Order: sequence, then C-alpha cells, then structure tokens
Amino acid sequence: NAGVTQTPKFQVLKTGQSMTLQCAQDMNHEYMSWYRQDPGMGLRLIHYSVGAGITDQGEVPNGYNVSRSTTEDFPLRLLSAAPSQTSVYFCASRRDLGVYEQYFGPGTRLTVT
Amino acid sequence: KNEVEQSPQNLTAQEGEFITINCSYSVGISALHWLQQHPGGGIVSLFMLSSGKKKHGRLIATINIQEKHSSLHITASHPRDSAVYICAVMDSNYQLIWGAGTKLIIKP
Repeated sequence: NAGVTQTPKFQVLKTGQSMTLQCAQDMNHEYMSWYRQDPGMGLRLIHYSVGAGITDQGEVPNGYNVSRSTTEDFPLRLLSAAPSQTSVYFCASRRDLGVYEQYFGPGTRLTVT
Repeated sequence: KNEVEQSPQNLTAQEGEFITINCSYSVGISALHWLQQHPGGGIVSLFMLSSGKKKHGRLIATINIQEKHSSLHITASHPRDSAVYICAVMDSNYQLIWGAGTKLIIKP
C-alpha cells in the first residue's frame, strides 16, 4: 500500500494564480482531511470529507475548495492564491469519523509571492 | 487560551536521558493522539489512547482523563528521537484539536 500520497511536494505561485493540490489514499478510508501547518501553530483543519460526495468546512476554509468524487481522491483547490496561504499542507485519512489512527501524506510546501 | 497545551515548547537533552513531554487539554475527548514529525516533515502516529498507558519500544504514553493530562515519555533517548512531538485530542465530534508541538533535540 502506498498509504496517503500528495503532489506536488513543492510549489511556488504568484498572487492570484490558482492550483490544485492532489491527495490520494489506497486504504479505502472514508474520512479524509486537509490541514495547513504554520510556524508556531498547531495543524489547522481546512476541509474534510466523511465519504464520497460529502465535504464540510473546517477551521480555516476561506480561499480553498474541495471535492470528493471518489473514495480515493480528495483534491484541494486554491482559487486565487494569496501570500497568507504560504504554508505546508498535509492531507490525512482515517478509516472513518470515529476513533481511528490517522495517516498523513508527506506534505506540500507552498510559497505564494 | 488554547484547548490543547503542550510543554515544554522546546527541549534539549543529552543522549540517554529520560524525556517527558506533557499535554493538557480543556475539552471533553474521545481519544488522545501522540504523533511525531521529523525534520523532513512527515507526520507519523505514535499512540492513540483513551485511558491508562501504552508502550511501544522506548516510548510510553499515559493519560489521566480526570486531570485532562497526558504525558509522552522516551527512555534511553537517542539522537534519532530528535523530532517535533505533537499531541492532538479528538473531541466529542471526532474532530482533532492540535497542540503546537514540542521540539526535541537529543545531543550525542
């Protein structure tokens, strides 16, 4: 099993550009989520999904969109990048919304200039 | 005030020392997670516990539900243990609330 995969690993965007961060898991997990990690702060939840076709907002959803058309994939779209979105982004999955171990992708380091 | 507080924020110790990292929380929880993030960035789950104590190799995690407190201990610490250790609690809605992490450096 590849676990949770994310692409790209690094990305530089100019302000106003859009892009999609890809996330996939091969563990048949129902719950998937996106976090951002900023220096000195805990991980913050951007969006999450409890199954295909179902998404919901987390703590910091503004400026991001998600969709979940399949169990495996959960892409994160930046609509119009801003310097405040410079961060490290992690995708994670677990079996479902209950008390289960969470698995993380390797992260995407995004810089917006 | 953050709902999950970790202490210390930074810890430097010599190889072989016994390490303790603390996590206090202020919400009702379904479970508590300890995770490790290496300098390369990857995050790995170490423990998930809702009561008592768990041990894996040189790592021990304990939780006291009444006191809303958990500790992560590392025995016979080694430079390869150098990492950021993160505490996260799962609230009653099964969402995770994250601590800011403890940066541990073990010197040879």
